[in-house]
Amino acid sequence: AQTVTQSQPEMSVQEAETVTLSCTYDTSESDYYLFWYKQPPSRQMILVIRQEAYKQQNATENRFSVNFQKAAKSFSLKISDSQLGDAAMYFCAYRSPNTGNQFYFGTGTSLTVIP
Amino acid sequence: GAVVSQHPSRVICKSGTSVKIECRSLDFQATTMFWYRQFPKKSLMLMATSNEGSKATYEQGVEKDKFLINHASLTLSTLTVTSAHPEDSSFYICSASGWGMLRNNEQFFGPGTRLTVL
Repeated sequence: AQTVTQSQPEMSVQEAETVTLSCTYDTSESDYYLFWYKQPPSRQMILVIRQEAYKQQNATENRFSVNFQKAAKSFSLKISDSQLGDAAMYFCAYRSPNTGNQFYFGTGTSLTVIP
Repeated sequence: GAVVSQHPSRVICKSGTSVKIECRSLDFQATTMFWYRQFPKKSLMLMATSNEGSKATYEQGVEKDKFLINHASLTLSTLTVTSAHPEDSSFYICSASGWGMLRNNEQFFGPGTRLTVL
């Protein structure tokens, strides 16, 4: 099974500042998908951003962007202009095309936004 | 966007009883549904994967006789916790993936069900 590692159990950021959450993964596959999900206190999992491994260009969604380094097997999430509503657990996830759409989740990073 | 619902959102039951949790895809056909368990401040642990009309595939260490999963239609999967015990208390989340309007490489999550066994 693929391993997804999030080395930062907790992070904090001042409102309006930028924060980067790290994620690394272990795989021997060349084609796969990577995701960042947000889980606010409501516990509803919300897709933040996705990246296809065959695409060299880093994905961006408004204030959210990723730094995808395929050779290093790294997939970090940058949140710009942090807002209070960004406070949540963030999970990095890996999806293999060979395991029936199964996701492998990291252990999560709890993000606190300081007003 | 694709919507997945879960019912009930929270349930309290007595030890020894069985509890059924429903997961529905409201606006797409879910060829595959996943059931996760999440402990407080922990990650999602995949319990099983179910494909419509087929038996569920359980992850190692998950008792298939205790956690019964049925995926009888393209819009409904159920998880039944049989003879529940306090250690089964947890947050259970389902997700779904399908064809058609969706690219088949994303999962859409339900809001979760909080199970408390007394």
